[in-house]
Amino acid sequence: DAGVIQSPRHEVTEMGQEVTLRCKPISGHDYLFWYRQTMMRGLELLIYFNNNVPIDDSGMPEDRFSAKMPNASFSTLKIQPSEPRDSAVYFCASSFAGKETQYFGPGTRLLVL
Amino acid sequence: QQQVKQSPQSLIVQKGGISIINCAYENTAFDYFPWYQQFPGKGPALLIAIRPDVSEKKEGRFTISFNKSAKQFSLHIMDSQPGDSATYFCAASRGAGNNRKLIWGLGTSLGVNP
Repeated sequence: DAGVIQSPRHEVTEMGQEVTLRCKPISGHDYLFWYRQTMMRGLELLIYFNNNVPIDDSGMPEDRFSAKMPNASFSTLKIQPSEPRDSAVYFCASSFAGKETQYFGPGTRLLVL
Repeated sequence: QQQVKQSPQSLIVQKGGISIINCAYENTAFDYFPWYQQFPGKGPALLIAIRPDVSEKKEGRFTISFNKSAKQFSLHIMDSQPGDSATYFCAASRGAGNNRKLIWGLGTSLGVNP
């Protein structure tokens, strides 16, 4: 299996622009998680889905952030409009219902200028 | 509110030494305690995990010690190697229903000198 796939790996954009991060979970996994990692705040759970349905979005920082999972093999995290404080590494992870282990993708490093 | 407190923030040990990282939690309903390892430029990966029905779990050079009454658990890395240099995260969760939310510690940066 290719593991969790994220794109792009790096994104540089200007403040006010829309940013879309993409994730393909491991085939057969029915949980999908979006995390944000910064030096100051560590690893933060933004939102997670079970069978494509959002279960907990309490970590989404504000209305500028939105996430969708239209099918079992694809999810997006969108930031509109982006701000410099959104600069971070964003990780997607997936897991199988019968196990707690979360498998992380390589991350997207976002820089908002 | 930080429900899982991890210490130290950083740690440097000599090759062959023992690395010890500690975590304390508040929610007594937590029933799953994993440790994740993260190398620079990579996502975290599960290293070892424990449930509160045992006090210790060992996998190779890595051991989790769990103290339910003190609400603490720790990771011990025996015979530490330069290749163990990474950031280590503890976490906890309450596996009820479809809840899969992990509460994470802030991480410990471990450096092992050759």
